[in-house]
Amino acid sequence: QSVLTQPPSASGTPGQRVTISCSGSSSNIGRDTVNWYQQLPGTAPKLLIYSNDQRPSEVPDRFSGSKSGTSASLAISGLQSEDEADYYCAAWDDRLNSVVFGGGTKLTAL
Amino acid sequence: QVQLQESGPGLVKPSETLSLTCTVSGGSISDNYWSWIRQPPGKGLEWIGYILNSGNTYYNPSLKSRVTISADTSKSQFSLKLISVTTADTAVYFCARVRGVWIISPYFDYWGQGTLVTVSS
Repeated sequence: QSVLTQPPSASGTPGQRVTISCSGSSSNIGRDTVNWYQQLPGTAPKLLIYSNDQRPSEVPDRFSGSKSGTSASLAISGLQSEDEADYYCAAWDDRLNSVVFGGGTKLTAL
Repeated sequence: QVQLQESGPGLVKPSETLSLTCTVSGGSISDNYWSWIRQPPGKGLEWIGYILNSGNTYYNPSLKSRVTISADTSKSQFSLKLISVTTADTAVYFCARVRGVWIISPYFDYWGQGTLVTVSS
């Protein structure tokens, strides 16, 4: 049982806009920023979004993040087949004194 | 470009100690913070802990009693030791650079490729 809750799966057709949610609590997302990682099959995770909505320079602007209250979302516009991957949200938890991750969402391009 | 590479035994016996090393290139180990994260086969990510450039360490409370992270700046390496392992410690272990500590939720911007450690007799 992960501290941050994500849907186990999501899907969309190429070109579509897809969103992945991440639900937390007042001790993590409600107090601090959210980060997102993309893990392509058989590879290490890659930083996608940090500090809620900031993209590293090499990440396409098709990827965007947002946060409201104790929840956060990752949006992917213009879905491409190469976006098929597992996506994880993460945040610092003040009560647990730990970095906590969501359980991951497997994104499929139909 | 910062690069990280994990190394260490791929098989550890139950009750023994898991030891891994991460070699850093392209960046100063003494000017940054470094972390270990693991992923059991088919499962999600779990933060193990990190070491700051001051040498201070912070661990996941669920692993704190068994974990030690240390750094050797002369070799540009940092290490993980996990004692008294069980089959539940079987995972791919990643090393990573940490940013944002004390300011925002820490995030990991450079990762090693990961190394699978199996705990089995």
